[in-house]
Amino acid sequence: AQSVAQPEDQVNVAEGNPLTVKCTYSVSGNPYLFWYVQYPNRGLQFLLKYITGDNLVKGSYGFEAEFNKSQTSFHLKKPSALVSDSALYFCAVKAGNMLTFGGGTRLMVKP
Amino acid sequence: SQTIHQWPATLVQPVGSPLSLECTVEGTSNPNLYWYRQAAGRGLQLLFYSVGIGQISSEVPQNLSASRPQDRQFILSSKKLLLSDSGFYLCAWTGVGTEAFFGQGTRLTVV
Repeated sequence: AQSVAQPEDQVNVAEGNPLTVKCTYSVSGNPYLFWYVQYPNRGLQFLLKYITGDNLVKGSYGFEAEFNKSQTSFHLKKPSALVSDSALYFCAVKAGNMLTFGGGTRLMVKP
Repeated sequence: SQTIHQWPATLVQPVGSPLSLECTVEGTSNPNLYWYRQAAGRGLQLLFYSVGIGQISSEVPQNLSASRPQDRQFILSSKKLLLSDSGFYLCAWTGVGTEAFFGQGTRLTVV
């Protein structure tokens, strides 16, 4: 069975500072990995994905993520946080037809 | 381009009443379709997924059922709602090797 862990319920960061939201996964075979963002009472919006190739993936709104196969991690990063980045972030893994999400991490960016 | 429609956006239903939530996808064929429930703005619980017409996999035994009468239509149902069925329901689709695309969600309140 596949699983995704987001060990932090909430991450607090000051505007302009770098941010990292952590994600680790467990899956058989090669995974497809994703990050999504959710604003209140809305569906999830796709940020970026890793399928194959370069371990550093760049996505929407200046976000990037680094795939680390040995640590089975896929951490989300941004060099300089904005207040508008405050939202709920989900990591997901897809293997076969199963699409499994982590528990979510709330990112709070303070001015 | 592909789009996903989910309705209604909000729903208030009495305990014991039936439920029908509909999700349709446009611009793609033979998508994988998913129903998730999100409680209290946190993690996503996979309820059902479907890889084709009439093919439904249930991940969590509960008071709900799903059907896929057409290739791009996915319906979530219940014969008698419980208070515990309240939550935010999200429909999603994926293609081969692609990220998931989400509907805008249905906020269900059972009273």
